[in-house]
Amino acid sequence: AQSVAQPEDQVNVAEGNPLTVKCTYSVSGNPYLFWYVQYPNRGLQFLLKYITGDNLVKGSYGFEAEFNKSQTSFHLKKPSALVSDSALYFCASNQAGTALIFGKGTTLSVSS
Amino acid sequence: DSGVTQTPKHLITATGQRVTLRCSPRSGDLSVYWYQQSLDQGLQFLIQYYNGEERAKGNILERFSAQQFPDLHSELNLSSLELGDSALYFCASSPGGDYTEAFFGQGTRLTVV
Repeated sequence: AQSVAQPEDQVNVAEGNPLTVKCTYSVSGNPYLFWYVQYPNRGLQFLLKYITGDNLVKGSYGFEAEFNKSQTSFHLKKPSALVSDSALYFCASNQAGTALIFGKGTTLSVSS
Repeated sequence: DSGVTQTPKHLITATGQRVTLRCSPRSGDLSVYWYQQSLDQGLQFLIQYYNGEERAKGNILERFSAQQFPDLHSELNLSSLELGDSALYFCASSPGGDYTEAFFGQGTRLTVV
């Protein structure tokens, strides 16, 4: 069965430092991978996706993610964190024509 | 603004009651997805409709049902409500059955008392 794991419930980072939010997946065949962000009392906002091609995907707000097939990972990264990046981040996966399956989410807290 | 509209934003109801949540997808999107978000279960996929037909089912209880109408809006019906059904219910839409990113509405917060 398809699944997505986010091993960290919370990630704390100081403003200006690089951040990484981890995600691993278990999908048979070729996965489609996504990152979403949720701010308090808001819906999920799409950040970026990997379908095929370059393993480094660039998305919104300066975020990027690296697809690693051998490690079945799709970690979200940003070179320099902002306080406004503090939110709940979800990794998600699906295969063609199926619904997104989400990880449990990671709360990112960026301190000033 | 994602272009997906959900109503109502908040709903408080008693156990045993029935409620209907409404979703209008982005213009032109044929797929609608319903998700339930709770603290203990995270974001759970409930059901997907594509152009009026049920496409996929997730962890949807038998007390819950959904449909997608000819104008592509969708409704999620929750009946015989229990305290544990209190959650945030999201609707999302995407252009087609093959995968692109989904766009989420702001959600309906359901509180069962």
